[in-house]
Amino acid sequence: DQQVKQNSPSLSVQEGRISILNCDYTNSMFDYFLWYKKYPAEGPTFLISISSIKDKNEDGRFTVFLNKSAKHLSLHIVPSQPGDSAVYFCAARASWGTYKYIFGTGTRLKVLA
Amino acid sequence: DAGVTQSPTHLIKTRGQHVTLRCSPISGHKSVSWYQQVLGQGPQFIFQYYEKEERGRGNFPDRFSARQFPNYSSELNVNALLLGDSALYLCASSTGPSTEAFFGQGTRLTVV
Repeated sequence: DQQVKQNSPSLSVQEGRISILNCDYTNSMFDYFLWYKKYPAEGPTFLISISSIKDKNEDGRFTVFLNKSAKHLSLHIVPSQPGDSAVYFCAARASWGTYKYIFGTGTRLKVLA
Repeated sequence: DAGVTQSPTHLIKTRGQHVTLRCSPISGHKSVSWYQQVLGQGPQFIFQYYEKEERGRGNFPDRFSARQFPNYSSELNVNALLLGDSALYLCASSTGPSTEAFFGQGTRLTVV
């Protein structure tokens, strides 16, 4: 049972345009959401996070939006740069019992120069 | 400052063997978690340790075990290796069990 879903396995965007990566979750008890970026042969790199009590968090070119009623979050990258090309993972934190992260399957973003 | 370091970076083992993976957390971080990432999937939670105590375990068989040392470094042990254990094993550290986790580069384990 996949509690965190990233339904788009890949996305291509022109340099300078906006990249929008989407993530859906099923468990309303998740209290914290994170985005990680992963390059080949490297571990995931923390990008940005959002608490369930907020609906938006912004950090430079990266903005995460949370829609709790729809159980949906999205990552916006503006403007997109070729160096942003990587696999992006959405993760939700389970705050009951163990503070573990539950990851989606990832979206491969390709920014075209 | 050094990030999370894992050793070895790559490893090839034969079915039935045992393997030990090592992780050194970021200085000052007391929590270490282990994740398994199979090709095409997101990382799956295996264990979390905080202050040398197991705080959580994912849905993995008893062949998987771990421990955390007084210096907060950690080992992940896998016994009786199966082909399906081939994966990237990621270690993540955080200041506490509920704060943002920072990942190491991972250990690529191949079981043949």
